[in-house]
Amino acid sequence: QVQLVESGGGVVQPGRSLRLSCAASGFAFSSSGMFWVRQAPGKGLEWVAVISYDGSNQNYADSVKGRFTISRDNSKNTLYLQMNSLRAEDTAVYYCETAVTTQGKNYWGQGTLVTVSS
Amino acid sequence: SYELTQPPSVSVSPGQTARITCSGDALAKQYAYWYQQKPGQAPVLVIYKDTETPSGIPERFSGSSSGTTVTLTISGVQAEDEADYYCQSADNSGTFWVFGGGTKLTVL
Repeated sequence: QVQLVESGGGVVQPGRSLRLSCAASGFAFSSSGMFWVRQAPGKGLEWVAVISYDGSNQNYADSVKGRFTISRDNSKNTLYLQMNSLRAEDTAVYYCETAVTTQGKNYWGQGTLVTVSS
Repeated sequence: SYELTQPPSVSVSPGQTARITCSGDALAKQYAYWYQQKPGQAPVLVIYKDTETPSGIPERFSGSSSGTTVTLTISGVQAEDEADYYCQSADNSGTFWVFGGGTKLTVL
């Protein structure tokens, strides 16, 4: 079955860096666009970044542009989010998500919590 | 930056019809997607490409579109439908994505 497993979350001080990973299995990862989406405690969903199936195109929300980098390794079926210059407002559960297919297939990981605090 | 606007809350009694709207300038050009999220769980796609229902989603969930507004309709609401609902779409360029602020559906 399809699995998306995020890892790499934790507590980090403001200004420091963290790299999240999302290990994918059970579907054609190398053919799927991928998203990172976050949710601050008690708040709504926020789109963070998107990457094309082959990694050639990436786009970012204004709130993270210049600080976060989305990437992928199709040989390892893994999606990444490099987060630099972290701020308190980056505290959230971070989810990886597949792009919705033409048949309406869509998958999410269970999320990983990032807490930015001194 | 682009925004999608949803009502913060909608309340209905069991068996009634719930309608949740989502407004945004680019919705006349870009598809909308609807997600259901229950506490402590990852979101689940309930409508894609404005009106399509994924397999496994109950038939009581439907979507419609008119100009710059899309609507999620839940017919014959059940207690298990109580959740937060989010619309998602892209801006006119298709480059930047956004979620609406979310609507809390309460089943009275």
